[in-house]
Order: sequence, then structure tokens, then C-alpha cells
Amino acid sequence: GAVVSQHPSRVICKSGTSVKIECRSLDFQATTMFWYRQFPKQSLMLMATSNEGSKATYEQGVEKDKFLINHASLTLSTLTVTSAHPEDSSFYICSASGMGGGAKETQYFGPGTRLLVL
Amino acid sequence: AQTVTQSQPEMSVQEAETVTLSCTYDTSESDYYLFWYKQPPSRQMILVIRQEAYKQQNATENRFSVNFQKAAKSFSLKISDSQLGDAAMYFCAGHSGAGSYQLTFGKGTKLSVIP
Repeated sequence: GAVVSQHPSRVICKSGTSVKIECRSLDFQATTMFWYRQFPKQSLMLMATSNEGSKATYEQGVEKDKFLINHASLTLSTLTVTSAHPEDSSFYICSASGMGGGAKETQYFGPGTRLLVL
Repeated sequence: AQTVTQSQPEMSVQEAETVTLSCTYDTSESDYYLFWYKQPPSRQMILVIRQEAYKQQNATENRFSVNFQKAAKSFSLKISDSQLGDAAMYFCAGHSGAGSYQLTFGKGTKLSVIP
């Protein structure tokens, strides 16, 4: 149980274009989803927290107009990187916590998306 | 707010031996949760074990167990009978038992398993 999928697993795009990353909880209802960014050989950096049906809460220093987060249902959250630039190249990971069993207080992670902006 | 400290950037263990990864934390909350996550080369974050602060008994999951010392704010992970597949980055993390359950992560410990 508590499986989270993420799509795509990797994406290459041109500078100036937008990229959408999907995060889905497959077998539980995710009341809260989190988006992280991870640089090589570093820990995870929280970008934003989103609750289903509400606006996301962004961490300090994260541009909300650049990283658009939507959590429209209990199983899906999306992260859109708008007007991507090479410095946005990174590994993006989502996680979800929600209802059912031990899922409420525990974050379950997706497999991550590697974004390369040329 | 919590802080989580992992003081061992790298560790190694011989296959079939036992290794302990250290983690200390600081929090002003009375109710909180602590976790160990594993990140293998695939970069998929995998939950290894979790501990509720109100539980005195140390959590155990097969070969993985924790030594939770609440007064010392220590939360170490013991891996018994180490296997090659245990090689990964291990992150200690925690959150207060309320609100959005935002995790605070340590910097990680890279574990190598020697055949």
C-alpha cells in the first residue's frame, strides 16, 4: 500500500518552455502533497505544501509564479515549471500523506522527475 | 521547528555485519514523529522505519531497528545482517505530530556495503 507515482520520470525541454509534472497517489487519498527539489549529493529541499482544494504554501525563496502547483483532487497534484531556464534543471520529487492506515502522518514518495533544460 | 543532524556523511559495513547510523534531533514539541528513509541509486525515497515519540518501544522492521532515546534526542538506525541492496543514502527526518506534517531532513549518510 501507499504507492505514489510520478510522471514523467525524465524530461528534456528548451529554455523558455513550460513543463508539467504529475504526482498521483495510487491506493490512498492524499490530503496533503509536497514538492521537493534535490540537488546532486544533497538532501531534499521542500518547495511547497499543497492541500487538496486549497492554494499551495510555498517555502521562502521559491517563486510561486514560476512553480505552479495544483492539487485539484485527492489523488493528483501537478507541478508546472513555467518559462523554464537551465538553472531550473534538477531532480523534483513529490510525496503524499493522507487518509487510511498509517498514511496520515507519513509521507510516501514518488520516484522523482529529472528535468533538464537546454 | 525541528532540526535534524546526521553527523556521519559516509559509513561502510561488511556484508552480513551490523551497522548503526546516527541521528540527533531537536524539537520543542511533545508529540512528534521520526523517520528513516532510504534513497538508493534509483533516487526513489523509500520509507524504512518510523517512530512515534509517545511510544517507548523501539520500532523494528525485519533487519532494521531503531534506538530511540527521547531524553537524549537521539534516533539511531541499526541494520543487521547487511545486504548489498542496503547500499544507499539514508536520511533521518522528523515532524511535529500536527499541522501539515512537514518533514525536516538531515543531510544524509551514504552507506556502502562491502562484499
